Amino acid sequence: ILNVEQSPQSLHVQEGDSTNFTCSFPSSNFYALHWYRWETAKSPEALFVMTLNGDEKKKGRISATLNTKEGYSYLYIKGSQPEDSATYLCAFPVQAGTALIFGKGTTLSVSS
Amino acid sequence: DTAVSQTPKYLVTQMGNDKSIKCEQNLGHDTMYWYKQDSKKFLKIMFSYNNKELIINETVPNRFSPKSPDKAHLNLHINSLELGDSAVYFCASSLGLGQETQYFGPGTRLLVL
Repeated sequence: ILNVEQSPQSLHVQEGDSTNFTCSFPSSNFYALHWYRWETAKSPEALFVMTLNGDEKKKGRISATLNTKEGYSYLYIKGSQPEDSATYLCAFPVQAGTALIFGKGTTLSVSS
Repeated sequence: DTAVSQTPKYLVTQMGNDKSIKCEQNLGHDTMYWYKQDSKKFLKIMFSYNNKELIINETVPNRFSPKSPDKAHLNLHINSLELGDSAVYFCASSLGLGQETQYFGPGTRLLVL
């Protein structure tokens, strides 16, 4: 069974801190890597879809990098704000043309 | 307008009953999905539908059956509900599979008593 591993499981930072977390995935037969943001009592919201080794994506204070050869992606949040508090999920398709397998997420809590 | 909508938002029912959850998307997407969020808040794929054709069935019990009357709708029927079916069920849609961003509905919270 192919798995997506995310670390840490949870993280608590102070407002203004920068932080990052990791998504590890099988590096063989890579197709795409997705990042989602999931706030409590809401539905997951897409952040990035990354497909090429070395890809870097940015959305405001959030950015992500991708290393398909070693099978990991990093998500960075610069100057964390309380509204960044959420669970961040990564996911990948096991094969081309299949649905996504999700990791268990990293839950971020930002204190003001 | 809500992109992906689900009804009902909450569903409380007795064990043994049959129930349906509806999902509609107005994004013109070709693919729709059902996910189950388990007790550990883990999202697990149940079904995918592409152009009205079931293409993945992730070994869920056959009491669960997806039905798609058209490309914009994917309903989930559950027969003979069991206590373990209590969970949050999310519908999602995407333009295609794999590399395409998925857009999620608000979730349906099912409680089986």
